[in-house]
Amino acid sequence: GEDVEQSLFLSVREGDSSVINCTYTDSSSTYLYWYKQEPGAGLQLLTYIFSNMDMKQDQRLTVLLNKKDKHLSLRIADTQTGDSAIYFCAEYSSSNSNSGYALNFGKGTSLLVTP
Amino acid sequence: DVKVTQSSRYLVKRTGEKVFLECVQDMDHENMFWYRQDPGLGLRLIYFSYDVKMKEKGDIPEGYSVSREKKERFSLILESASTNQTSMYLCASSLGGPYKNIQYFGAGTRLSVL
Repeated sequence: GEDVEQSLFLSVREGDSSVINCTYTDSSSTYLYWYKQEPGAGLQLLTYIFSNMDMKQDQRLTVLLNKKDKHLSLRIADTQTGDSAIYFCAEYSSSNSNSGYALNFGKGTSLLVTP
Repeated sequence: DVKVTQSSRYLVKRTGEKVFLECVQDMDHENMFWYRQDPGLGLRLIYFSYDVKMKEKGDIPEGYSVSREKKERFSLILESASTNQTSMYLCASSLGGPYKNIQYFGAGTRLSVL
C-alpha cells in the first residue's frame, strides 16, 4: 500500500509542547488519524481529521494537515509524563480497494516525556 | 463505549501447534481486522472481514487463516505455529462504510511460539 512515514523517537521535557510529524503519499486520503498506544495495550483513537480540513483542536491536542505537502502533525500542549506512549499516524483512502476499510498505519513514534 | 475483547492477553505455544486467537466486538460493526505488530515494522494487516463468512487477505496472510461465523466474532488461526509468528496480535473493528471509518482496537494478544 501507500507509505505513511513517521520519525521513530521523540523526547521532550514535561510541560513543553510535543510535535509529532507524519507524511503520507496517497493523495486520495480521505481521513487521517492519530492513535496512541500505551505500554502493553491496544491502540486508542486520539483524534482524526477529514481531508478538507486544515486544522482540528481538541483540548491539548492540535492536528495540522497540509494536504499539498501530504504532511500531518500532532501537537500536544503542556506534555505530561502520562503522554509517554507510541503515537501512530494512519490514513484511509477510499481508493484503496485492496484492503477494504483497513487503515494504513505508520510505524509509530515513541514519545518519551522526562520530568 | 465500543468494546473489542481479545480472549487472551498472553499465550505461549509450541512450534507446530494449532493456535486460535479470538476477538469479540459488541457494537454490531460490519468490519473486523487482524494485525500483527512487531518492533520497527509497525502494524501489518493479516486478514480482514466486512461481513459474516466473508474474509479478505491483507498484506501478510501467509501462515494464517480466519473465521467469521458470527458478526461479533472474528478468529485468527495459526494452522501450525512457527517461531516467526511470535508477535503482538491486535484485533480491530469498524462500522461499515467509508464515513469516518474509525477503527477500535482490542488490548492485544502477545503470542510467544517456542
